[in-house]
Amino acid sequence: AQSVTQPDIHITVSEGASLELRCNYSYGATPYLFWYVQSPGQGLQLLLKYFSGDTLVQGIKGFEAEFKRSQSSFNLRKPSVHWSDAAEYFCAVRRVNTGKLIFGQGTTLQVKP
Amino acid sequence: SAVISQKPSRDICQRGTSLTIQCQVDSQVTMMFWYRQQPGQSLTLIATANQGSEATYESGFVIDKFPISRPNLTFSTLTVSNMSPEDSSIYLCSVEDRETGGFEQYFGPGTRLTVT
Repeated sequence: AQSVTQPDIHITVSEGASLELRCNYSYGATPYLFWYVQSPGQGLQLLLKYFSGDTLVQGIKGFEAEFKRSQSSFNLRKPSVHWSDAAEYFCAVRRVNTGKLIFGQGTTLQVKP
Repeated sequence: SAVISQKPSRDICQRGTSLTIQCQVDSQVTMMFWYRQQPGQSLTLIATANQGSEATYESGFVIDKFPISRPNLTFSTLTVSNMSPEDSSIYLCSVEDRETGGFEQYFGPGTRLTVT
């Protein structure tokens, strides 16, 4: 069965430091992968996606993610974190036939001043 | 990208009552989805709502508890019936935007439901 694992429940980084949020997926075919961010009291905002092609994808707010098929991973990165990046981050895989998204458990990012 | 609105944004309801949540999209979309996010948890799909057909429910969710309507390509409703405190969650609708040729899924702002 398809699944998504985000191994880190909570991460704290200092403002200006680099960030990497991990995501591992289990999916038989070529996955469609997404990262979403949810700020407190807000809905989900799409950060970036991977369908095919270049395995390094750029998103909004300075985020990027790298798809590694050999590791079944799609880690999210940002070179310099801002205080406004504090939020909940979700990785998701799309089931090709149904369109539904399967979400990881989420990673809470805290940013220290 | 599609712009999605939901009503109400939040509500406090008594157990045993029902609440209907509305989802409005600013463009015509084929696929709409309803998700539940329990406190401190991730999102779980309740059902897929396609216009002109019955909603498809995920395991653990039934039509009697979560009836869904999809009268046209821009609107859907989810009803949470006979509510209990365990139904306290954020309910989100989403749509898949195929205009760009991709499969981006966009979410509404959510409805925060508290059942007392």
